[in-house]
Amino acid sequence: GQNIDQPTEMTATEGAIVQINCTYQTSGFNGLFWYQQHAGEAPTFLSYNVLDGLEEKGRFSSFLSRSKGYSYLLLKELQMKDSASYLCAVSDSNYQLIWGAGTKLIIKP
Amino acid sequence: TAGITQAPTSQILAAGRSMTLRCTQDMRHNAMYWYRQDLGLGLRLIHYSNTAGTTGKGEVPDGYSVSRANTDDFPLTLASAVPSQTSVYFCASSETGLADTQYFGPGTRLTVL
Repeated sequence: GQNIDQPTEMTATEGAIVQINCTYQTSGFNGLFWYQQHAGEAPTFLSYNVLDGLEEKGRFSSFLSRSKGYSYLLLKELQMKDSASYLCAVSDSNYQLIWGAGTKLIIKP
Repeated sequence: TAGITQAPTSQILAAGRSMTLRCTQDMRHNAMYWYRQDLGLGLRLIHYSNTAGTTGKGEVPDGYSVSRANTDDFPLTLASAVPSQTSVYFCASSETGLADTQYFGPGTRLTVL
């Protein structure tokens, strides 16, 4: 079966750095997405990785290792507004997105 | 532009009743999707459409039907609602049905009693 694993919840301090991990087992791979979802709102796109390596976009970076079935989202200089759930999703061989259950990130002052 | 709109925002429905959730996008995207989101689970794909006139089944299609008469609209119908269909429903769209970024509507919170 297809499976995406990520931690259920993480806590970090304002101004710090946090890394959210995602491991996946899917039938085929056409890229990995990270989305942010604030409570009661829709998911919004953060990043897309299809090749191995690090993609940096401002305070957010995303890393992919296809051989290990592993990705992480790195958030720097954390702000209170970063409190949200972070969703990992893999595009499978049929280009359907398989979603993890999400990691709820709590930022403390 | 509005992006994607969904209606209603929330609804309480008696079991056995039918209901249509509406979804409209103004981005001229070819592909559209319906997901449900339940606590502790990832988003699960109900149905999708890669282009107007075509639809496909996702991971959890039972009890739901869709149509795609034109590019902009992608309604989701529950023919006879059951309590297990209580969920938050998100509509999304992307330029193509390939590995494109999906853009989500605000969601419909449905409670079936």
